[in-house]
Amino acid sequence: AQSVSQHNHHVILSEAASLELGCNYSYGGTVNLFWYVQYPGQHLQLLLKYFSGDPLVKGIKGFEAEFIKSKFSFNLRKPSVQWSDTAEYFCAVNDDMRFGAGTRLTVKP
Amino acid sequence: DADVTQTPRNRITKTGKRIMLECSQTKGHDRMYWYRQDPGLGLRLIYYSFDVKDINKGEISDGYSVSRQAQAKFSLSLESAIPNQTALYFCASGSQGPGGELFFGEGSRLTVL
Repeated sequence: AQSVSQHNHHVILSEAASLELGCNYSYGGTVNLFWYVQYPGQHLQLLLKYFSGDPLVKGIKGFEAEFIKSKFSFNLRKPSVQWSDTAEYFCAVNDDMRFGAGTRLTVKP
Repeated sequence: DADVTQTPRNRITKTGKRIMLECSQTKGHDRMYWYRQDPGLGLRLIYYSFDVKDINKGEISDGYSVSRQAQAKFSLSLESAIPNQTALYFCASGSQGPGGELFFGEGSRLTVL
C-alpha cells in the first residue's frame, strides 16, 4: 500500500542546532514530494516541494530537502534552527496528498 | 479574505446528529480535499476530488460523505456523528499538474458528545 512515514514524532533542539527530519515513502513511479509546516494554532502552509530537476530543493525560512530516489526518502534539513521554528512538520506525496503522521519540533531558546 | 474558507469553525453536537462542514475556495482550483487531524496521527485523508464529477475515497472515508456542488465548493457530511469523529477537520484546494501545492482552510473543530 502507498504510504508516507515520518519516523521522528517529537524532536527537541536548542537554538542554533542543526535539524534533520526524516520522510520515507512507498510509492511506485514518479513522485511529487512536499513538506508543510503548521505553526501553533494555524493551518498548514507549504515549506518546499520537489517534482523534477535538482533533487536538492530549497524552501522558505532556510529549509531545504533532498530527494534520494534510491532510498525513497525526502528528508528536511535546516543548518541552524530558531525558536520561531517550533511547529509541526508534515511530509506529503503526490496528487492524492497523503501525509505522514507529522513531527513536532520544539526549539528551546 | 481567505482563499479557502471553512464553516463552521467550531461545532459541538450530539451522537447521532447529522453534521455538514462546508468549504469554498476562491483560487479557481480543480482539486479539493478533506482531512481530519488528530494528535499523533497527523492528517488523514477522508475524501478528495479532482474536478466536479470526480470523487475519491481517502484513507478513512467510512462514516463520511462528500458533495462537490461546484468547482469552488466541497462539503463534508457526517450522516450520524459519533464521538470518535471528534477532531479538527481541514479542507484544502490545489491546482492540477505536477508539484501543485495545497492551500488549507483554517480548520473546523468538531466535538461530538
